[in-house]
Amino acid sequence: EAEVAQSPRYKITEKSQAVAFWCDPISGHATLYWYRQILGQGPELLVQFQDESVVDDSQLPKDRFSAERLKGVDSTLKIQPAELGDSAMYLCASSLEAFNSPLHFGNGTRLTVT
Amino acid sequence: QKEVEQNSGPLSVPEGAIASLNCTYSDRVSQSFFWYRQYSGKSPELIMSIYSNGDKEDGRFTAQLNKASQYVSLLIRDSQPSDSATYLCAVKVRSGSRLTFGEGTQLTVNP
Repeated sequence: EAEVAQSPRYKITEKSQAVAFWCDPISGHATLYWYRQILGQGPELLVQFQDESVVDDSQLPKDRFSAERLKGVDSTLKIQPAELGDSAMYLCASSLEAFNSPLHFGNGTRLTVT
Repeated sequence: QKEVEQNSGPLSVPEGAIASLNCTYSDRVSQSFFWYRQYSGKSPELIMSIYSNGDKEDGRFTAQLNKASQYVSLLIRDSQPSDSATYLCAVKVRSGSRLTFGEGTQLTVNP
């Protein structure tokens, strides 16, 4: 079964450093999502792409976070500079374009900022 | 008011019992509803989706939707210890919109 690939699996960084996460969605999935999940809470959408275009980044802290999906396939999420409060699981998901298509999640990147 | 609210946990049931998980949503025009299961340290995995009022059954799982009451639930029959996880309710308002998750309900099934 096709999977959403994410790397790295774990990342430890010091505050004020830059960090980047990578995601490769399931082939053919036009919609790609980045979610952040703080321990004990539900996932919160950071950014949603339709092909290479951003369709929702209303909850992305744009002063420090950036995301791109240049060719409409894989995507990178960057944080610069990282803050202690950024420690969380960063989940990438993808779906077909159809309205009722469910999201398929990758294994996530566990970020710890020290 | 939160967009998606789930009944507070944790919820503990004995093995073989029925576990009932509840979710309410604020946007009356929401159209798609999903239940995800998340094991500790893992990513969410889809269990059920439901789009029309009524019940939808899949094995031991039954999703129930009542759009008039803005309420969606998940029943797990014959609960097993392997069902112990956090269950996330997720709601989508319309095509192209975000999928919004609730905070999750932690379920423990005791042998």
